[in-house]
Amino acid sequence: DVKVTQSSRYLVKRTGEKVFLECVQDMDHENMFWYRQDPGLGLRLIYFSYDVKMKEKGDIPEGYSVSREKKERFSLILESASTNQTSMYLCASSLYGSGNTIYFGEGSWLTVV
Amino acid sequence: SQQGEEDPQALSIQEGENATMNCSYKTSINNLQWYRQNSGRGLVHLILIRSNEREKHSGRLRVTLDTSKKSSSLLITASRAADTASYFCATDADTGFQKLVFGTGTRLLVSP
Repeated sequence: DVKVTQSSRYLVKRTGEKVFLECVQDMDHENMFWYRQDPGLGLRLIYFSYDVKMKEKGDIPEGYSVSREKKERFSLILESASTNQTSMYLCASSLYGSGNTIYFGEGSWLTVV
Repeated sequence: SQQGEEDPQALSIQEGENATMNCSYKTSINNLQWYRQNSGRGLVHLILIRSNEREKHSGRLRVTLDTSKKSSSLLITASRAADTASYFCATDADTGFQKLVFGTGTRLLVSP
């Protein structure tokens, strides 16, 4: 069974902290994605990666960075967390190329206080 | 950038009724996918329809695509309480990177 695992389900961090959200997939997928989901705004793409050490900006990359040192792992980094980054963060993966199913993790609820 | 807009934003029906959700998008696409999200959980893929297809079925799901109108619809027949969830359309403009753009979703409530 395919699996995308996000390391933390719920996090509370202070403003200015550096935050790491970890994601691991066990399907040998080339593509990995980080989305954030906010009420009324749907899912918005932050960053994606199509190969190890490769990354591409999505629609809202400001305030975030990513790391992909191994194929199975894709990390989202908030360099200095701010309250407007309070959100649900969703990691996903897929095979490379168009028309493939995207598999999502269960999400990480981040609250920045 | 927001590509898909679902309509209605919320839908409340009784068990056994059919539920229809619509999605409109703005640019040319390679394919369109529908996903389901239970409250507070991740998204689950339901069905994909390619730009050269007009209709597709999967169990109780029927998806149509009208590329001339840039719209798609998802029909769930004989709904059940367990179908209660949010439903999202996602478009792939074929950038080669599988970069899906999601709509804002339709919240479906199916009452017993």
